[in-house]
Amino acid sequence: DAGVIQSPRHEVTEMGQEVTLRCKPISGHDYLFWYRQTMMRGLELLIYFNNNVPIDDSGMPEDRFSAKMPNASFSTLKIQPSEPRDSAVYFCASNPSRSGRAEQFFGPGTRLTVL
Amino acid sequence: GIQVEQSPPDLILQEGANSTLRCNFSDSVNNLQWFHQNPWGQLINLFYIPSGTKQNGRLSATTVATERYSLLYISSSQTTDSGVYFCAVREAISNFGNEKLTFGTGTRLTIIP
Repeated sequence: DAGVIQSPRHEVTEMGQEVTLRCKPISGHDYLFWYRQTMMRGLELLIYFNNNVPIDDSGMPEDRFSAKMPNASFSTLKIQPSEPRDSAVYFCASNPSRSGRAEQFFGPGTRLTVL
Repeated sequence: GIQVEQSPPDLILQEGANSTLRCNFSDSVNNLQWFHQNPWGQLINLFYIPSGTKQNGRLSATTVATERYSLLYISSSQTTDSGVYFCAVREAISNFGNEKLTFGTGTRLTIIP
């Protein structure tokens, strides 16, 4: 299996621009997660989906952030408009149903820099 | 929510030394994972260990769920072991909708040649 795939790996943009991050989970995994890592706050959950349905978005910072999962193999995290404080590494992760071995696997991350 | 504490926060060792990293958590868990974040930022799965003991080469881990802690052992450390080690847990509550992992703040390990 190719693992969790994220694109782009690096993104540099200017304040006010729209940013779209993409994720392909491991095939067969029912759960997909978006995390953000910063020096100040460490690794924190933004939102997660189960069977393409958003379950918990309480970690989404504000209305500028939105996430979608149109099908089982694709998800996007969008920031519009972006701000310098959004600079961070954004990770996507997936795991299978909790009824089994629900080990979570992470993608390589997208390093976002907002100037 | 559940609290996860890791110790020590920083550890500097000579190559070949052994080390023990600790993870304490404040409530019952049904998932505990250890990750290594390498210098390139990738999160590498080390162990899925909600309870018991596992070994993988020079690394081993033990989770004592009833006492709410887990230990990661690294023996004969190598420079490639450098990086940050994270413990992450999923709280064992029965209601649907709590699948997230809560991460500790990590232990930064530096191995000196």
